[in-house]
Formats: sequence, C-alpha cells, structure tokens
Amino acid sequence: GDSVTQMEGPVTLSEEAFLTINCTYTATGYPSLFWYVQYPGEGLQLLLKATKADDKGSNKGFEATYRKETTSFHLEKGSVQVSDSAVYFCALWNGDKIIFGKGTRLHILP
Amino acid sequence: DAGVIQSPRHEVTEMGQEVTLRCKPISGHNSLFWYRQTMMRGLELLIYFNNNVPIDDSGMPEDRFSAKMPNASFSTLKIQPSEPRDSAVYFCASSPGPSRVGEAFFGQGTRLTVV
Repeated sequence: GDSVTQMEGPVTLSEEAFLTINCTYTATGYPSLFWYVQYPGEGLQLLLKATKADDKGSNKGFEATYRKETTSFHLEKGSVQVSDSAVYFCALWNGDKIIFGKGTRLHILP
Repeated sequence: DAGVIQSPRHEVTEMGQEVTLRCKPISGHNSLFWYRQTMMRGLELLIYFNNNVPIDDSGMPEDRFSAKMPNASFSTLKIQPSEPRDSAVYFCASSPGPSRVGEAFFGQGTRLTVV
C-alpha cells in the first residue's frame, strides 16, 4: 500500500542552522504531497504542499520540492529559529485518503 | 472562522465506561477524519466521512469503537467499553473538498486517559 517514510528524530539544531528533514514516499499514481507541523498541545497545521512533479511548496521560510524521480519531498529551511521547534509530518494524498509519516521532532537551541 | 472544534479537551474515565468524543467541522467542508495519536503508533486514521457518509472505517481498532456523522456540522466517536490501551489524543480534522484535496484542518484534540 501507499506509504510515507521520514527521518527519525529528534533532530537538534542551533538557531540559524540549515534544516533538512528527509521524506520519501511510495504510491501508485501521482499523489499530492504535504508537510504538516504540530506545535505542543495543538493539532496538525498544513505548512506547505505540492501537487505535481517539480512543484516547489513554500511557506514561512520552509521549502520542499516534489521529486518524482527519487520519490522524495524533503523539507528545508535556510535559517531555523527557536520558534520552529515542533513535530513535522510528511504526508500524501493518493486520491482516497491522506497518509502521514510518523513525524520528526525538531528541537532548536538558542 | 472558528476552526474545527473538539470537545472535551481532556477526558479521564474509568475502564469499562462509555466515552463520547465530539467534533464540529469547519462549515462548508465536506470531508471529516478521526485520527488517534500515541507515542508508540504515531498518527492513525480511524475513519473518514465524505458528505456525512462513512467511506473507510478500516482503521477502527475493534467493535468497541463507533463513529457517526448525523449532519454536516457534527460528528461523534464513541468507545464502549473503554480500556486503558485506548488512552491517546484523538483528533478530528475536516477538509474542504475536491479543489483542495489533502488539505486537512485539525482540531486541538481530545486527550483521553482511561484508568
């Protein structure tokens, strides 16, 4: 079945460091891809999305590019802030339902 | 826009009791999802509805769990009888439909503790 695999955390970085969280997917057809973020005590929020190959989603300084050839959708940010500390979920929509990865916890140290 | 509203925010109950979780989706959204989140298993899809009709309940763990959506503005998830292993955070999410597929708006969750 369709699935999403993302790097295990926690990921700990210093403020202003470069961030990459890896995500790969398995799906039949051409899914839409998403990154969601969950802050402590809250539900998930949509961070960015890409609906077709080579699309780049971006929001709040975060970016991810839909790479069909490598079935990947890695999340990047050039300079992280303490306020970016959260759990990040990669997800896909396969035409039937949303499938989430297990999440990656990110800690940013001041 | 008030967002997805879940109640209660916290529920503590004794094993064997019935528990009902409630959700009000965003007005105009036509898909509704119930998820369960635990440290061990991550985020699990329990059931989802399109236009108030249950589409896929294959994630419902067992017959003790049931979900209803009597109208477009309300859904319930019921556990009867509850067991300690049901302790988790339960999220409801709604989605606006074909033009924005895959975009889910989550409530703040209900933290359920069964003792």
